[in-house]
Amino acid sequence: EAGVVQSPRYKIIEKKQPVAFWCNPISGHNTLYWYRQNLGQGPELLIRYENEEAVDDSQLPKDRFSAERLKGVDSTLKIQPAELGDSAVYLCASSLGGQGNQPQHFGDGTRLSIL
Amino acid sequence: KQEVTQIPAALSVPEGENLVLNCSFTDSAIYNLQWFRQDPGKGLTSLLLIQSSQREQTSGRLNASLDKSSGRSTLYIAASQPGDSATYLCAVLDDYKLSFGAGTTVTVRA
Repeated sequence: EAGVVQSPRYKIIEKKQPVAFWCNPISGHNTLYWYRQNLGQGPELLIRYENEEAVDDSQLPKDRFSAERLKGVDSTLKIQPAELGDSAVYLCASSLGGQGNQPQHFGDGTRLSIL
Repeated sequence: KQEVTQIPAALSVPEGENLVLNCSFTDSAIYNLQWFRQDPGKGLTSLLLIQSSQREQTSGRLNASLDKSSGRSTLYIAASQPGDSATYLCAVLDDYKLSFGAGTTVTVRA
């Protein structure tokens, strides 16, 4: 089966500019996650979707970050405006369900650099 | 808040030696624990998932144990190979949220 696909792989922008990341989960996976991974650290959850509903966005900085998952398949994560501290790898993952018996499958991520 | 710690942060071993990676977590009320592998510039690949009711899981040369009461898990990799060089992360699932450790970076010398 095809894995989780993310684009772009790399993005370099100046601070205060907007940026968007795209994720296509594994077919049939109804649960989708966005994580942020800072250098030398493990990923931290930003938002979790069950189908098209955001069921956990408690860690999403809502003043500048937004996400959507139209039709419960692809998802987009946006930052506007970007700040220097947003430099990180943004990972998307999907699973068959949010319950504990299903592993999460990760994409290769988008590496964001803010100048 | 769940805290996950992995020790050591880095490890270098000669080829053929067995690897032992440690993970500890502060809240034992977890649904499961997963071990992941991450290669440079890549995403995470799931290696093993241990349900909270299980004590261990095995896949090929990999074996992971879970002691939920003491908040510990150990990943064993037998007869290490240069291709095992990567960062290994553990993560615990509680309240539908995965909490990750910072990882152990492993280098296997040929």
